[in-house]
Amino acid sequence: EVQLVESGGGLVQPGGSLRLSCAASGFTFSSYWMSWVRQAPGKGLEWVANVKEDGSEKYYVDSVKGRFTISRDNAKNSLYLQMNSLRVEDTAVYYCARDHGNGMGVWGQGTTATVSS
Amino acid sequence: DIQMTQSPSTLSASVGDRVTITCRASQSISSWLAWYQQKPGKAPKLLIYKASSLESGVPSRFSGRGSGTEFTLTISSLQPDDFATYYCQQYNSHLKTFGQGTKVESK
Repeated sequence: EVQLVESGGGLVQPGGSLRLSCAASGFTFSSYWMSWVRQAPGKGLEWVANVKEDGSEKYYVDSVKGRFTISRDNAKNSLYLQMNSLRVEDTAVYYCARDHGNGMGVWGQGTTATVSS
Repeated sequence: DIQMTQSPSTLSASVGDRVTITCRASQSISSWLAWYQQKPGKAPKLLIYKASSLESGVPSRFSGRGSGTEFTLTISSLQPDDFATYYCQQYNSHLKTFGQGTKVESK
């Protein structure tokens, strides 16, 4: 079964850090671009970042550039999002998604990051 | 960056109605557009890719049209399971962007 499982969310103070993880199974992880997408409470979807199959290209939405880093470990079938200098407005459910070049066809269940003092 | 604008933001409809949602891009994205359905507390589900191609397993009452900057998602006969929020997303650029969403609610 094709599956993505996120973990690592939690409560952190403004200025703090979190590292999200996404474990992939049931498909050849190293053959796909991967993305992180977030959804603030009661709001719409926001694409955050993506990474090429071999990790050689990475792209970010402007609001997280310089603070978030996307990475992957193909040997471990895992995707990561290192989030530093967190702000209250980064509070959201974070989804990892498999990008097959024609939309995002596989999504995880999401992990919640809450930034609050 | 490419901006995506959906209309309407909310749509009230009844079972059996034909429903159309519009998505406009701030610049041409050819046919690099996807549509997703999301229900409360759940991850989005891919419905349509490349503007008009139906994802495997998605009912044929869903259809997509358009190219360039204007796109539509149509549900030919709204079913009880279709009350949800729908998002368009462009993937013409590596910096992918979503529309703000259209909530389809019961009239």
